[in-house]
Amino acid sequence: NAGVMQNPRHLVRRRGQEARLRCSPMKGHSHVYWYRQLPEEGLKFMVYLQKENIIDESGMPKERFSAEFPKEGPSILRIQQVVRGDSAAYFCASSPNRIGLAQETQYFGPGTRLLVL
Amino acid sequence: AQTVTQSQPEMSVQEAETVTLSCTYDTSENNYYLFWYKQPPSRQMILVIRQEAYKQQNATENRFSVNFQKAAKSFSLKISDSQLGDTAMYFCAFTTQGGSEKLVFGKGTKLTVNP
Repeated sequence: NAGVMQNPRHLVRRRGQEARLRCSPMKGHSHVYWYRQLPEEGLKFMVYLQKENIIDESGMPKERFSAEFPKEGPSILRIQQVVRGDSAAYFCASSPNRIGLAQETQYFGPGTRLLVL
Repeated sequence: AQTVTQSQPEMSVQEAETVTLSCTYDTSENNYYLFWYKQPPSRQMILVIRQEAYKQQNATENRFSVNFQKAAKSFSLKISDSQLGDTAMYFCAFTTQGGSEKLVFGKGTKLTVNP
């Protein structure tokens, strides 16, 4: 059973460009979460999605950031007009659609390191 | 607000010794889940151990065990027989039951296991 897949692993963008980060959840998982980790910090929640629905985007910046999880294909975190402050590691996690501890346990991908020049 | 506090930014331990990492949290919820994640230099987030708040029995996974004190809102991680491969950042996290189950993380403890 393959784990959570993220690509690219490293992404370099110049200020003003767009960054697209992809996440494929584990097989059988229908919940996807995105987190951001700044240097020397813990992970901060950004958004929680299920197929075709954004459930909680309370951690997303109001501008330039968007996320989707289409019926087919990976979840996408999109950052428009990137700025240097967007440089961070972006982690995707997924969890299964079962009740209790199994549902609440999130499994993480390897992350995408975004560097904005 | 829900918060997680890890009061030890860095710790070190000798190989084969035991070390305990502390974690406290604050929530008004009664049903929640607690986790410890390990982040080695590769920066992959690896689940170490998990605990349901309604269970009094402390979780154990091989050399890793927790001391869960619900009244004190404390969730410490004990690593026995430390190995060099245990060197990593360790993050404590929790999530509440039902709804949007985002994880709330602490800032982490950097653990170094010395030979």
